[in-house]
Amino acid sequence: KQEVTQIPAALSVPEGENLVLNCSFTDSAIYNLQWFRQDPGKGLTSLLLIQSSQREQTSGRLNASLDKSSGRSTLYIAASQPGDSATYLCAVSGGATNKLIFGTGTLLAVQP
Amino acid sequence: SAVISQKPSRDICQRGTSLTIQCQVDSQVTMMFWYRQQPGQSLTLIATANQGSEATYESGFVIDKFPISRPNLTFSTLTVSNMSPEDSSIYLCSVEAVDTQYFGPGTRLTVL
Repeated sequence: KQEVTQIPAALSVPEGENLVLNCSFTDSAIYNLQWFRQDPGKGLTSLLLIQSSQREQTSGRLNASLDKSSGRSTLYIAASQPGDSATYLCAVSGGATNKLIFGTGTLLAVQP
Repeated sequence: SAVISQKPSRDICQRGTSLTIQCQVDSQVTMMFWYRQQPGQSLTLIATANQGSEATYESGFVIDKFPISRPNLTFSTLTVSNMSPEDSSIYLCSVEAVDTQYFGPGTRLTVL
């Protein structure tokens, strides 16, 4: 059974800092991995999607890497801003239905 | 991309009653997913709904408690039946488009 864990559970950084969020999964037979952000009272916004054959994806100040063999992914946020404050969730999909298995989330607070 | 709306956005209900949540997508999609996010927890998949067939439920979720309708390719409903305080959660619908999952804003349910 696939299990997804995220470390740390919560993180507080001053504005401008670079930071790394970690995601690990137990079954390396995944189809893809996605990073989402969730703002209070709102749904999820997809940030980056990495296919199982890819090593990383970049979008603006965000960079996500995937090491499928070790069951790990990292989300790197450069020059953090207060607007980056949210819960970040990673999710892996696999199998015929591509259903997502979500991690436990990292609550990020960027202090101005 | 896909734009998803949900109704209601939030509700407060009495135990023993039922609530039907609606999910509308701006494009035709094959699969729709219903997730639950309990307070302080990550997302858990309830069921996958394909148009024209019975929904497929995940372990721990049953049709009598969470009946789902999928009358066409842009719409689905999830009913939370005979509610108890343990059903207090955010319920989100999701669709897959071009390998990315898009989520609705969620329905925040509180059961007294």
